Amino acid sequence: DADVTQTPRNRITKTGKRIMLECSQTKGHDRMYWYRQDPGLGLRLIYYSFDVKDINKGEISDGYSVSRQAQAKFSLSLESAIPNQTALYFCATSDYGQYRTGELFFGEGSRLTVL
Amino acid sequence: GQQLNQSPQSMFIQEGEDVSMNCTSSSIFNTWLWYKQDPGEGPVLLIALYKAGELTSNGRLTAQFGITRKDSFLNISASIPSDVGIYFCAGQLDFGNEKLTFGTGTRLTIIP
Repeated sequence: DADVTQTPRNRITKTGKRIMLECSQTKGHDRMYWYRQDPGLGLRLIYYSFDVKDINKGEISDGYSVSRQAQAKFSLSLESAIPNQTALYFCATSDYGQYRTGELFFGEGSRLTVL
Repeated sequence: GQQLNQSPQSMFIQEGEDVSMNCTSSSIFNTWLWYKQDPGEGPVLLIALYKAGELTSNGRLTAQFGITRKDSFLNISASIPSDVGIYFCAGQLDFGNEKLTFGTGTRLTIIP
């Protein structure tokens, strides 16, 4: 089983709908992240959380919100989806010791299409 | 925000060829990392570099931390089919409390 699990893996939705992407991890890491991948743009950070009570905006947080329900769970919400939020979304984790090396552990991704 | 530009955007090579790609930044980083994304998977760390001028190898992969701290290079020798994927560089400014900035990616395709 994957250490970082994302659900759903694929989702097609319509403009204006509320969408939640969920991430759970069994690595015991404190830090969790949501990234968005677009062709030619690489990975861009949406939100990150260093522990359960800590939420931080990344470089492209507009239109998104997150919730850190527990150390192992970090969800990303699109309150009213729009077509330019069509992308591949990745959840990632790290812990402080490993973070000093820059190593993030990624899930398999959630492909979201907004029509 | 900061941007990391990777070059080339894509490469089409034959099995057995060597590969070179680079990553440049408009600002300094104190750590450079290289990740690989296999098709349908999330990125996985290949090599981490912590010191300007450092040259580090991982099997057939060799990466260098540029002297100016604004660039990094990745070389793959004698490419094999499983090298196919997208390679991302990433920069980290400070230890411990800084998120990574990822590059735009280089897609590697191996022609049979």
